Amino acid sequence: EVQLVESGGGLVQPGGSLRLSCAASGFTFSSYDIHWVRQATGKGLEWVSAIGTAGDTYYPGSVKGRFTISRENAKNSLYLQMNSLRAEDTAVYYCARDGKSVAGTGGFDIWGQGTMVTVSS
Amino acid sequence: DIVMTQSPDSLAVSLGERATINCKSSQSVLYSSNNKNYLAWYQQKLGQPPKLLIYWASTRESGVPDRFSGSGSGTDFTLTISSLQAEDVAVYYCQQYYSTPYSFGQGTKLEIK
Repeated sequence: EVQLVESGGGLVQPGGSLRLSCAASGFTFSSYDIHWVRQATGKGLEWVSAIGTAGDTYYPGSVKGRFTISRENAKNSLYLQMNSLRAEDTAVYYCARDGKSVAGTGGFDIWGQGTMVTVSS
Repeated sequence: DIVMTQSPDSLAVSLGERATINCKSSQSVLYSSNNKNYLAWYQQKLGQPPKLLIYWASTRESGVPDRFSGSGSGTDFTLTISSLQAEDVAVYYCQQYYSTPYSFGQGTKLEIK
């Protein structure tokens, strides 16, 4: 079964750090671009970062310089290192597979169930 | 950055009737070299992650019922549910994947009238 499973969420104080993980299975992880997308409770979806198959990385301005996405293909794993966390970073964080990487389909075709990050004192 | 704007914010439709959701991008998401619109639609039910419905603006993802269809090009797009079923109650999002930062619309909440 093609699957993404996030872990590492939790409660952290403002200014603190957290590292999220995303474990992939059922497909050739190294062949796909992968994204992080977050969703605050009751709010919409916000794209957080992406990493290409060559390790190229992309971020929106809201997290650039604070978040770092990385991947370890040998372990079929994706990571998101989050530093200098703020209250507005509180959200469910999803990892998602980019469909156009291999099959030529578009959009994000596989999503994990998400992991909750709460930034609060 | 490309801003995605959906309308309406919420919609109530009777079972068996047509539901239409619109999405407008602040700049074209049509890539001229391959004539593809880098636009996707997602369905998110309560407590679940988003599910891809439509990509390239009009291509249905495998397994998605054919009552869901997407149309449009350039900056204006539409998601249509031809005959609303009870299980279609959800929030629907459009997304551009033409350029980073990738962006989503604010969502449209679809309910049964």
